[in-house]
Amino acid sequence: AQTVTQSQPEMSVQEAETVTLSCTYDTSESDYYLFWYKQPPSRQMILVIRQEAYKQQNATENRFSVNFQKAAKSFSLKISDSQLGDAAMYFCAYRSAGNTDKLIFGTGTRLQVFP
Amino acid sequence: AAGVIQSPRHLIKEKRETATLKCYPIPRHDTVYWYQQGPGQDPQFLISFYEKMQSDKGSIPDRFSAQQFSDYHSELNMSSLELGDSALYFCASSLRTPGETQYFGPGTRLLVL
Repeated sequence: AQTVTQSQPEMSVQEAETVTLSCTYDTSESDYYLFWYKQPPSRQMILVIRQEAYKQQNATENRFSVNFQKAAKSFSLKISDSQLGDAAMYFCAYRSAGNTDKLIFGTGTRLQVFP
Repeated sequence: AAGVIQSPRHLIKEKRETATLKCYPIPRHDTVYWYQQGPGQDPQFLISFYEKMQSDKGSIPDRFSAQQFSDYHSELNMSSLELGDSALYFCASSLRTPGETQYFGPGTRLLVL
């Protein structure tokens, strides 16, 4: 069975600085998808970024980028020029490309942003 | 852009009562997913539907059932509610393509007293 591990329960960053959130996963599959979701205090789950495992190029969405290391099974999220609105719980999630619909989430990293 | 709609947003029930949660997917999305997020926990997959048929099943209790209707909206029916069912219930929707992103609704917060 696949698992997702986020080893940092909490992280903090100064406004305008850069922070990296870690995520590792365990799978025997070669084809899958990885996601980062953000959950602010409103509890809404918001997609931050998506990565296809067959693509070597790291995904980027404005200030958010990932470092996808397939061999190491690592999928870290880098937030550049951090803003107060980035403060939230961040979940890393895995989805198999096989015959299953479920997202498997990590336990989350709570990010605090200080002015 | 239109998002996933869930109703009600908040629900308070007594033990052993029944609850029905509704989900209206993003227009043109044909697949609906249900997740349960307990306090301080990550979301857990319950069940999914595509074209009114159950597509996948996760850790959904036997006391819960769900269905998808012809207009693609979905309902999660929960019976014999227990204190441990208190959680945030998310519905998500997507198009039925491999690895398609699941877009989440705002959630229904259920409190069982």
